[in-house]
Amino acid sequence: SQQGEEDPQALSIQEGENATMNCSYKTSINNLQWYRQNSGRGLVHLILIRSNEREKHSGRLRVTLDTSKKSSSLLITASRAADTASYFCATGQGAQKLVFGQGTRLTINP
Amino acid sequence: GAVVSQHPSRVICKSGTSVKIECRSLDFQATTMFWYRQFPKQSLMLMATSNEGSKATYEQGVEKDKFLINHASLTLSTLTVTSAHPEDSSFYICSAIVAGGRDEQFFGPGTRLTVL
Repeated sequence: SQQGEEDPQALSIQEGENATMNCSYKTSINNLQWYRQNSGRGLVHLILIRSNEREKHSGRLRVTLDTSKKSSSLLITASRAADTASYFCATGQGAQKLVFGQGTRLTINP
Repeated sequence: GAVVSQHPSRVICKSGTSVKIECRSLDFQATTMFWYRQFPKQSLMLMATSNEGSKATYEQGVEKDKFLINHASLTLSTLTVTSAHPEDSSFYICSAIVAGGRDEQFFGPGTRLTVL
């Protein structure tokens, strides 16, 4: 069953602007992961944040995790046209299972 | 490293036939692989967890007799969609976890199944 809810469902911004996507979940987690998927392709792992971490950076990506609010955000700074894709959060459950959110379709306009 | 492949990438079949999809970890051993299904513009739904040398664990609502999973080696898991029907048309994606590794799953490129 789906656990994560993401908002917005779709986001369209101009190249160079920052993009923020949010994810909320319902149960306890071991970790939360963000993935990118280009249309009709497989998933690319972006970043993993553990339940005892609050913030993590990787290049132009910044992820926050608030376990008290059961929410996470993904910030992409200085967006590029190549960032156009769908972004999914996934919560790590027991036995290494992942439960995916509904995803945010991000469009970067040149 | 940590590359996962799937074969075929696309398959079109007639209703009532069976289709086998392979998922391989190319440069690592994977004791655990996962199979997901993704309908257009929707998220990934976990179908089953495949463990090498044992029976797969299916998620609620997934018919194990329709979606046969075999994980015979540390680098290969197969999903067979038996007696496929048009409603089985979907994008099937596998992922694998490095044996002895931590939580990161490496995803295959997916298989687009179209049942006519």
